[in-house]
Amino acid sequence: EPEVTQTPSHQVTQMGQEVILRCVPISNHLYFYWYRQILGQKVEFLVSFYNNEISEKSEIFDDQFSVERPDGSNFTLKIRSTKLEDSAMYFCASTGEQSFTDTQYFGPGTRLTVL
Amino acid sequence: GDSVTQMEGPVTLSEEAFLTINCTYTATGYPSLFWYVQYPGEGLQLLLKATKADDKGSNKGFEATYRKETTSFHLEKGSVQVSDSAVYFCALRGDDKIIFGKGTRLHILP
Repeated sequence: EPEVTQTPSHQVTQMGQEVILRCVPISNHLYFYWYRQILGQKVEFLVSFYNNEISEKSEIFDDQFSVERPDGSNFTLKIRSTKLEDSAMYFCASTGEQSFTDTQYFGPGTRLTVL
Repeated sequence: GDSVTQMEGPVTLSEEAFLTINCTYTATGYPSLFWYVQYPGEGLQLLLKATKADDKGSNKGFEATYRKETTSFHLEKGSVQVSDSAVYFCALRGDDKIIFGKGTRLHILP
């Protein structure tokens, strides 16, 4: 069964450093998302992406964040200058041709630890 | 805005007990409703979904019915197993993004 994959599974970085989290969505999907889950809290929407541009973003997704689909398979989340409060599990998700009705499939997550 | 409220955990049950995890929602329009499960050390997996009122989603012995009149989507299972121990998230999608509840941690004792 097709699945969303994410790398790395765990990333440790120093405060102020840039990180790039990588995702490979399901191959025929067109809509891509990032969510995050701070330890012990609920999963929060960050951004949605379609047709090579951001469709919607939350208040969390400020100028320090960016997303990109550099090729036909990868979808990346970049944090330019990490802060301690960026420590969280980051989930990528994708869905198919009908974003408003199709199920979003989630990857296993990348745990980001900012020291 | 749209929101999901689910019962606080942790919930601890013995194996073969009946499970209910309550979930209510607030939304404009008619959202799709979901239960996601997160097993220890793993990501989010879709457990079941319902897209319109009175629909019943079911999977792996779990069920939930979309109740528009009570804006609820309670998760139930007749006989839980130790392997059901996980965190369960109720969620909705009214537009393009998913809004999650805080999650309910479930412990099943052998």
